[in-house]
Amino acid sequence: GAVVSQHPSWVICKSGTSVKIECRSLDFQATTMFWYRQFPKQSLMLMATSNEGSKATYEQGVEKDKFLINHASLTLSTLTVTSAHPEDSSFYICSAPGEIRATDTQYFGPGTRLTVL
Amino acid sequence: GQQVMQIPQYQHVQEGEDFTTYCNSSTTLSNIQWYKQRPGGHPVFLIQLVKSGEVKKQKRLTFQFGEAKKNSSLHITATQTTDVGTYFCAVNYGGSQGNLIFGKGTKLSVKP
Repeated sequence: GAVVSQHPSWVICKSGTSVKIECRSLDFQATTMFWYRQFPKQSLMLMATSNEGSKATYEQGVEKDKFLINHASLTLSTLTVTSAHPEDSSFYICSAPGEIRATDTQYFGPGTRLTVL
Repeated sequence: GQQVMQIPQYQHVQEGEDFTTYCNSSTTLSNIQWYKQRPGGHPVFLIQLVKSGEVKKQKRLTFQFGEAKKNSSLHITATQTTDVGTYFCAVNYGGSQGNLIFGKGTKLSVKP
């Protein structure tokens, strides 16, 4: 089946630094990828839709200048958390839809656990 | 914004007992998806329901989509310790293609 990878799997950084998270589709092309955030014991919340070759679409309440998204190729999307603060500590997960239809299966990456000290 | 309500939030069962989680929407859904997330893991797709009144089975798991396409359920028969995890329903309310709104999830714990 389709595989989505994320790197790094976990990261610890100091407050004020920036962290880049990569999301790759390994055996299929993804013109669209999605970034979610999951706080402990909570559900996944969609942050933004990453579109290859164009600007990302952000959900209400998500700061686009703080969470920079770049979808540089059909297999790679990156999320950069700029000037990270402790409240940004969370589990960040990307997903890519199946190739047939966008409403089909979503393949999730393994997630990146960010801890900001 | 659009929401999908999922209950219960937690369910503790004895191994061998049945388990059901429910999702409800105030609006008609085009489809609903179910995911399982093991502790410390990421969501894994289980199934997608599209048709009104649809019932699908995967071994001990039975998925139903309501006639009005506003509610869905996941039922596990004779739970096993391997069923432990959080089960999420997710719906696509449109907008960006394929983006999903997740229910809050039902965390299942199974006592051996």
